[in-house]
Amino acid sequence: AQTVTQSQPEMSVQEAETVTLSCTYDTSESDYYLFWYKQPPSRQMILVIRQEAYKQQNATENRFSVNFQKAAKSFSLKISDSQLGDAAMYFCAREGSQGNLIFGKGTKLSVKP
Amino acid sequence: DTAVSQTPKYLVTQMGNDKSIKCEQNLGHDTMYWYKQDSKKFLKIMFSYNNKELIINETVPNRFSPKSPDKAHLNLHINSLELGDSAVYFCASSQFMEGATTDTQYFGPGTRLTVL
Repeated sequence: AQTVTQSQPEMSVQEAETVTLSCTYDTSESDYYLFWYKQPPSRQMILVIRQEAYKQQNATENRFSVNFQKAAKSFSLKISDSQLGDAAMYFCAREGSQGNLIFGKGTKLSVKP
Repeated sequence: DTAVSQTPKYLVTQMGNDKSIKCEQNLGHDTMYWYKQDSKKFLKIMFSYNNKELIINETVPNRFSPKSPDKAHLNLHINSLELGDSAVYFCASSQFMEGATTDTQYFGPGTRLTVL
C-alpha cells in the first residue's frame, strides 16, 4: 500500500520557537511531488510548501522549510519563529500515480503564547 | 476572486434523501478531484476527472456519482444518503502535466454534510 505516515498526532510549540513535524512515505516512483498542507479551524486546505523529488535542494517558503531525505523517504516540515496563526492541522501528502494526493493522518499543532 | 468554490458550505439532510454538491474552478485547470474528510480528519480521494473524463474512481459506493459538464465544473451527487456519509467533502483542481503528474492542487472551502 502506498502510505504516508505522520507519527505525531499532536505537537505544541511556544510562540517564536521552532518546531519540526515529521512525515515518512512509501513509494516505488523515482519522481514525484511532496506537499505540506495546513488546515486551520476554518477547514480551508492551504498549501504550505511543495518539494519535487528530483530536486536535491530543500524547499523553503519564508518561515517554513523542509528536510527532504529521498533515500530515507522522509519529508519533515520545520516552522521557525512560530506564530499564533500557525496553529492548525498539518497534513503531509504525496502525489499518487494518477495525480491524486495521498495524505497522512495529520498533526495538530498548538502554539502557546 | 475565489479560485475553487463549492456550494453549499453546509448541508444538513435526512437519511434516504438525494443531494448534490457543486464545485467550480476559475484557474483554467484541466483536472478536478473530490476528497472526503472523515470525522478523524483523514482525507481520501474519491474521484478525479481530467478534461471531463473520469480517471480515478476509488472504492466509493455507487450512490456517489460525479458529473463533469465541462472542465471547470465537477459536481457530486449522492443518492439515498446514509448516516456514514456525514463528512466534509472537498473539491480540488490542478493542471495535469507530462509524466502523469500534476501541479499543485488547490482546494475549495469544503462542504460539511450532516446526515440525520
